[in-house]
Amino acid sequence: EVQLVESGGGLVQPGGSLRLSCAVSGFIFSDYYMDWVRQAPGKGLEWVARTRNKPNSYTTEYAASVKGRFTISREDSMKSLYLQMNSLKTEDTAVYYCARAGVATRYFDYWGQGILVTVSS
Amino acid sequence: DIQLTQSPSFLSASVGDRVTITCRASQGINSYLAWYQQKPGKAPKLLIYAASTLQSGVPSRFSGSGSGTEFTLTISSLQPEDFATYYCQHLNSYPITFGQGTRLEIK
Repeated sequence: EVQLVESGGGLVQPGGSLRLSCAVSGFIFSDYYMDWVRQAPGKGLEWVARTRNKPNSYTTEYAASVKGRFTISREDSMKSLYLQMNSLKTEDTAVYYCARAGVATRYFDYWGQGILVTVSS
Repeated sequence: DIQLTQSPSFLSASVGDRVTITCRASQGINSYLAWYQQKPGKAPKLLIYAASTLQSGVPSRFSGSGSGTEFTLTISSLQPEDFATYYCQHLNSYPITFGQGTRLEIK
């Protein structure tokens, strides 16, 4: 069974940092692109970042709203995905989901349950 | 950036109804479009990808069509479990973007 489990969320002050983790099981993690998607309270979905797999040199893509502040990374041996979030702003407050991109399609075919990040003083 | 505009933003319908949601892209995206369903407090669920391909395990009452800039999601006969919010999403280029969502409620 495919599972994605996020951790590391919580309350942080503006300007602070937080690192999210996503532990996966049930599939060959190293084969897949992986993404972070967020949802502000009561709002729609916003794609945050993508990491490609090893054959594609682990290259990354970011939304403009987080570029330069957030860093997506992965550790294939640990079957884990990460999101390092620096210089956090109140508008980064959201539920953050990790999502698997289908190996052939690249659409988000499995999602974690989400983790809440609250940026507030 | 490619903007996706869904219509309507809110839809009230009854069990058994046929409903259609439209997603319009600000520029052509070929068939690089997906539809997701999200229920309150839950993660989104992939329904349709590549504009018209049904994801494994999704009931056949869901269907998608379109290419270029206009796409539709159709539910042929609404079931109680279909009342949720629906999002379109493109994969044509970066950044990946989602539509603003269509909230489907019971009449």
